[in-house]
Amino acid sequence: DAGVIQSPRHEVTEMGQEVTLRCKPISGHDYLFWYRQTMMRGLELLIYFNNNVPIDDSGMPEDRFSAKMPNASFSTLKIQPSEPRDSAVYFCASTHTTDFITGELFFGEGSRLTVL
Amino acid sequence: DAKTTQPNSMESNEEEPVHLPCNHSTISGTDYIHWYRQLPSQGPEYVIHGLTSNVNNRMASLAIAEDRKSSTLILHRATLRDAAVYYCILRDTTSGTYKYIFGTGTRLKVLA
Repeated sequence: DAGVIQSPRHEVTEMGQEVTLRCKPISGHDYLFWYRQTMMRGLELLIYFNNNVPIDDSGMPEDRFSAKMPNASFSTLKIQPSEPRDSAVYFCASTHTTDFITGELFFGEGSRLTVL
Repeated sequence: DAKTTQPNSMESNEEEPVHLPCNHSTISGTDYIHWYRQLPSQGPEYVIHGLTSNVNNRMASLAIAEDRKSSTLILHRATLRDAAVYYCILRDTTSGTYKYIFGTGTRLKVLA
């Protein structure tokens, strides 16, 4: 399997622009997670989906952030408008219900966002 | 969510064992202990997990204190490729939640 695939790997944009980050989970996985990592705050869970339905979005920082999962093989995290403080590495992860006890999350390589 | 406490950093010599401690004094009876690690410029990866008994796998061993208020991840022979940030995480399985809360972790430096 190709693993969790994220795009773009790097994004540099200017404040106020819309940013869309994409994630393709591992085929057959029914849980998908979005995390954000910064030096100051470490790894933060933003939102997660089960069977394409958002389960917990309490980590989404504010209304400028939105996430969708239109089908089992694709998810997006959108920031509109972007601000410099959104600069971070955004990780997507997936897993399957059968791994519930194991709890093994499979992470992508991340999307590094820089907002100027 | 119960919290974990880990040292910020540790050093080890190559080919020597490494013991990475984690304190979790507020752990509940249904919390599983998970360890992940994050290599430079990569996403976190699963290392090992356990509930009460010590666990071994190809990557590491997990030693859990009898009262479960602490645990230790053991790398039997550290290599340069083991240099990473190691996260100790508690996860409640009864609520059905997948909310993994990562702390700041321990940055392991392996000296050649």
